Amino acid sequence: GQQLNQSPQSMFIQEGEDVSMNCTSSSIFNTWLWYKQDPGEGPVLLIALYKAGELTSNGRLTAQFGITRKDSFLNISASIPSDVGIYFCAGMNYGGSQGNLIFGKGTKLSVKP
Amino acid sequence: DVKVTQSSRYLVKRTGEKVFLECVQDMDHENMFWYRQDPGLGLRLIYFSYDVKMKEKGDIPEGYSVSREKKERFSLILESASTNQTSMYLCASSLSQGTLRGYTFGSGTRLTVV
Repeated sequence: GQQLNQSPQSMFIQEGEDVSMNCTSSSIFNTWLWYKQDPGEGPVLLIALYKAGELTSNGRLTAQFGITRKDSFLNISASIPSDVGIYFCAGMNYGGSQGNLIFGKGTKLSVKP
Repeated sequence: DVKVTQSSRYLVKRTGEKVFLECVQDMDHENMFWYRQDPGLGLRLIYFSYDVKMKEKGDIPEGYSVSREKKERFSLILESASTNQTSMYLCASSLSQGTLRGYTFGSGTRLTVV
């Protein structure tokens, strides 16, 4: 099945550092979503983006919908230990028969206190 | 908030057993999904359903079947469990096809087949 290219695959950072991760696709999307999965839990929606060029924040998290509609970025500022987990991007073209989400393989974030 | 409940957090089953993983959502969502998650492979779609008694194969349906007799419940069935089906299984639901708010996931069932 189709998948997004998400990078990096994993990150090991020091508490307080900023984090950047991104997703790219060969096809365009109308919607980009970012999820976080805490260890042993299911993914939870962090941010949803609906318009090319859109920049949206959720606390220390900021995500952008790429202008080409083929990529998206997630930044975390001043990381803390509870940011540990796996971050997934997901793209979707809503409407018609293409409403399923396409997921990236995830970025595993480890934060050293 | 929508709640997606998976009946078991951890399961250990023997090779060859028939295994049922149950998922219930409480917000009248039309769509339900089953994924498996393995390190380095991300989330892989097994089956999904847009309506009662309706099912569609995802990317990796082999060795699995599903049942959706009621709108709120979507069951994943491993007909004859094998060790390569040891994985984390995630159920998800969404309001309608192409919903702008994505999916709501359950907490997952970690299945070990011995």
